[in-house]
Amino acid sequence: DAGVTQSPTHLIKTRGQQVTLRCSPKSGHDTVSWYQQALGQGPQFIFQYYEEEERQRGNFPDRFSGHQFPNYSSELNVNALLLGDSALYLCASSLGRNSPLHFGNGTRLTVT
Amino acid sequence: GDSVTQMEGPVTLSEEAFLTINCTYTATGYPSLFWYVQYPGEGLQLLLKATKADDKGSNKGFEATYRKETTSFHLEKGSVQVSDSAVYFCALSDYTGNQFYFGTGTSLTVIP
Repeated sequence: DAGVTQSPTHLIKTRGQQVTLRCSPKSGHDTVSWYQQALGQGPQFIFQYYEEEERQRGNFPDRFSGHQFPNYSSELNVNALLLGDSALYLCASSLGRNSPLHFGNGTRLTVT
Repeated sequence: GDSVTQMEGPVTLSEEAFLTINCTYTATGYPSLFWYVQYPGEGLQLLLKATKADDKGSNKGFEATYRKETTSFHLEKGSVQVSDSAVYFCALSDYTGNQFYFGTGTSLTVIP
């Protein structure tokens, strides 16, 4: 039973560029959430996708956008990258509200 | 807004010592509470959860009790092992059940 998989594992981008991160949820899960984890901090909620729509959004600018596909996989897009976007980006899947999150190992994004 | 505060680390204990990691929360309504663990080189994993006041979550010898009167969810283990060395995150899910708030994490090192 495959867990949550994310790609790529590491990424280096230049300020101003755009990036796309990908996530496949755990088998049987229909909801995907994205979190940003800065070094030494806890994960911060970016947004959640359910039934191919953004169901809830955290306090992140519109430069952060996403998509969910019919097979429940998801993408996170970040435009006009800033140095402060450097972080570990975590994808988590779940089934239903309040259900525990199952996390992938994350994508480490470095913006130079 | 909702938030989680957990004790700062790092924490270093000898094997078989008693562990307590403090966690308090602020939330609207009645959140569910969680402890997640991140072992070196791995993703976040659910350790235990509690969904209502006075519930006790337990797993792998760890326990935490949902205390509504003190808005706390402290993690305890009676006898830690070297294999418990990891970063521990306290978290809550908001009133929608969609967004999770995480503490900053507490790093635990257990020495033989």
